[in-house]
Amino acid sequence: ELKVEQNPLFLSMQEGKNYTIYCNYSTTSDRLYWYRQDPGKSLESLFVLLSNGAVKQEGRLMASLDTKARLSTLHITAAVHDLSATYFCAVDPNYKLSFGAGTTVTVRA
Amino acid sequence: KAGVTQTPRYLIKTRGQQVTLSCSPISGHRSVSWYQQTPGQGLQFLFEYFSETQRNKGNFPGRFSGRQFSNSRSEMNVSTLELGDSALYLCASSLVSGLNSPLHFGNGTRLTVT
Repeated sequence: ELKVEQNPLFLSMQEGKNYTIYCNYSTTSDRLYWYRQDPGKSLESLFVLLSNGAVKQEGRLMASLDTKARLSTLHITAAVHDLSATYFCAVDPNYKLSFGAGTTVTVRA
Repeated sequence: KAGVTQTPRYLIKTRGQQVTLSCSPISGHRSVSWYQQTPGQGLQFLFEYFSETQRNKGNFPGRFSGRQFSNSRSEMNVSTLELGDSALYLCASSLVSGLNSPLHFGNGTRLTVT
């Protein structure tokens, strides 16, 4: 059974500091996705990582994929309040997304 | 371009009843998938349809079913509702089945079973 593990599950960030969310998965997958969900809202796609070594950046967020280690990281640079949300990673070895439990991020002043 | 539209947004049903949820994908998208989101189990895959054919199914009982129409619109049905079926049901569409492009999610239908 495919397992997707995120850590930490809860992250309290201080504005201006850097943080990393980790996503480990248990089976081979060349595709990994990061999504953001605001409270009461739907999921918004952040990144699609399609190959080993892929790195994508958007604003203060940068995601990378190491398929050999079965690990993806979501790095947050200089956290700001707008980044408060729940972040999910997901993999799809069989064309059906399996999600991690999510990392709930709160940014405090 | 209109996004993924799910109706209704909220639904309250009683145990034992059945319910049908609707999803209209982004124009041109042929793959539609459904997910259940609960605080306890997180996001779980229900099924995926492509060109009116169910291509994948998650580990849910047979009470959960779905279909896709020729215009790519999709419905999911849950029969004999149980309290544990209370959840946010999310529909997502993509251009093709294969997921090299991300899924685009609708706002969901929040189902409450009493």
